[in-house]
Amino acid sequence: EIVLTQSPDFQSVTPKEKVTITCRASQSIGSSLHWYQQKPDQSPKLLIKYASQSFSGVPSRFSGSGSGTDFTLTINSLEAEDAAIYYCHQSSSFPHTFGQGTRLEIK
Amino acid sequence: QLQLQGSGPGLVKPSETLSLTCSVPGGSISRTNYYWGWIRQPPGKGLEWIGSIYYSGSTYYNPSLKSRVTISVDTSKNQFSLKLSSVTAADTAVYYCARQVDEGYYFDYWGQGTLVIVSS
Repeated sequence: EIVLTQSPDFQSVTPKEKVTITCRASQSIGSSLHWYQQKPDQSPKLLIKYASQSFSGVPSRFSGSGSGTDFTLTINSLEAEDAAIYYCHQSSSFPHTFGQGTRLEIK
Repeated sequence: QLQLQGSGPGLVKPSETLSLTCSVPGGSISRTNYYWGWIRQPPGKGLEWIGSIYYSGSTYYNPSLKSRVTISVDTSKNQFSLKLSSVTAADTAVYYCARQVDEGYYFDYWGQGTLVIVSS
């Protein structure tokens, strides 16, 4: 089973800051890495597919990069509505697995 | 935007079988290029993929749950279902249904989630 490790677990940031969340896979997964946003009491929503492709309707301040074992989700010019937990997900091999999540707090 | 609507009992007794259904109003579950999956999230914890099914009935499951899980599809009702047998308190979670794109296997649309508590 591929283990995904996200860092940090928690980050407190101010609006308009730039945020970087990383996801490291226990073995190479190519670009089969996707990012989701989960706001309190809501279901997860797809942000980024295939490491760097934005999903339809996602604000342009969200971007992704990486391949192999190291991936990054970047949020430029953070907004208050971005307070959420962010998860990475690998679909390179079964079973599909998720990272433990990164909670983003807006000061 | 595609909607998925999960439903089922919110309380299940230990050792019994958890049963949930997901309906896809306004969308066809028989479309090619998509799987239909179940993911769960224990209170305050992360996400765990349970398994997925194609409209043809082809399934794949998380090995950690495979011995207890059955996912089925009913194309005539445009819905798919999850059964998890011999539940314990560790199965208490919000259960999400979601559409899974078969090119890439990412989940592009999710249902609202159903909280299932396992308790006597």
